[in-house]
Amino acid sequence: QVQLVQSGAEVKKPGASVKVSCKASDYTFTSYGVTWVRQAPGQGLEWMGWINTVNGNTDYAQKFQGRVTMTTDTSTNTAYLELRSLRSDDTAVYYCARARFDCTSRGCLLYFFDYWGQGTLVTVSS
Amino acid sequence: DIQMTQSPSSVSASVGDRVTITCRASQGISSWLAWYQQKPGKAPKLLIYTASSLQSGVPSRFSGSGSGTDFTLTISSLQPEDFATYYCQQVNSFPLTFGGGTEVEIK
Repeated sequence: QVQLVQSGAEVKKPGASVKVSCKASDYTFTSYGVTWVRQAPGQGLEWMGWINTVNGNTDYAQKFQGRVTMTTDTSTNTAYLELRSLRSDDTAVYYCARARFDCTSRGCLLYFFDYWGQGTLVTVSS
Repeated sequence: DIQMTQSPSSVSASVGDRVTITCRASQGISSWLAWYQQKPGKAPKLLIYTASSLQSGVPSRFSGSGSGTDFTLTISSLQPEDFATYYCQQVNSFPLTFGGGTEVEIK
């Protein structure tokens, strides 16, 4: 069955970087995008961006522009999220999810996120 | 950015009750709306996409409706496993945004 398995919990100091992995299995990796969503403790869901697994194009939420990089390795069906210059308010559970998408000349549309990873807790603390 | 406003923020209900959650977009999003269910410590689960399409494997007691700016998620007969937090999400334009969530609690 479709699975997205994320890397383990991380503890980082303010100013550091973190890289979270998300390994996909049991589906054609390049038929779906990968998106990242985070959830601070006791808070709601926040969309960070997505990556088109076919061509590597990305769209990031403005809030994270300049601090985030999303990449994929299609040889291992793995997606990565790197977040730099960490702050205490980056403490959250980070989720990857499979995204059904379609791209036309007018841009790309993400229809929904149908399979999710188990989440990776990133704690930023001095 | 499109703001998504859910109401109520929490609702207390009993098993067998009909529960309705609303979601309002700050501008028209056609039918580009999804609903997710999240239980504590777990990843969200897709319930509904394109406002009213039921995701495979989701019980038929869940239904979605609406278009434009106003949307509804209805649980026709609440079951014990439905106590959770529900989120709407607009997928009309980037950045994709979620509603603040509605917690369905046991009465």
